[in-house]
Amino acid sequence: GQQLNQSPQSMFIQEGEDVSMNCTSSSIFNTWLWYKQDPGEGPVLLIALYKAGELTSNGRLTAQFGITRKDSFLNISASIPSDVGIYFCAGLNYGGSQGNLIFGKGTKLSVKP
Amino acid sequence: EAQVTQNPRYLITVTGKKLTVTCSQNMNHEYMSWYRQDPGLGLRQIYYSMNVEVTDKGDVPEGYKVSRKEKRNFPLILESPSPNQTSLYFCASSSQKGGFYNSPLHFGNGTRLTVT
Repeated sequence: GQQLNQSPQSMFIQEGEDVSMNCTSSSIFNTWLWYKQDPGEGPVLLIALYKAGELTSNGRLTAQFGITRKDSFLNISASIPSDVGIYFCAGLNYGGSQGNLIFGKGTKLSVKP
Repeated sequence: EAQVTQNPRYLITVTGKKLTVTCSQNMNHEYMSWYRQDPGLGLRQIYYSMNVEVTDKGDVPEGYKVSRKEKRNFPLILESPSPNQTSLYFCASSSQKGGFYNSPLHFGNGTRLTVT
């Protein structure tokens, strides 16, 4: 089946640093989504991208839908402690419903000790 | 408050003892789904339902059953649980209209299941 390769698997941040993570696939997607999961809770939608090349911001978060439609990245600027959590990308094909949503394996963001 | 409610939050059981994890949403959503989350594997879909009496297999349906007799409820049934079903389970729901900005997937807070 289709797979999303999300990287990095984990990363440590220091407050104030910028953070980048990405998702790639061998398949084309028509919608890319980014979710965040806080400890002990379910994932929450951060950003949805609908068009190739689209760049969308939500506060300190910026996400882009790759031109090839096979990748997407998420940037977090000036990170703060509450950014800690697991970030998931998800892709959806044209004409598909939420039933065809495919999730990446997640990027775990932790605070540098 | 709009929410997806799962029960129980934590469950420890033994191999072979049938169990049901309940999921209820109060948003009149057509679509509901079950995922399991395992370290290093992310979220994998077990079953989903596009509407009442319509259910479909996701990526990892083996060992699970679901039913959708009413719009608001979508229980997950493990007829004969095994240790490899130890996992964190999430129920989710959404409307089918308007794209993900207008109808994002709403997740419950999870059920941590341990099968010994």
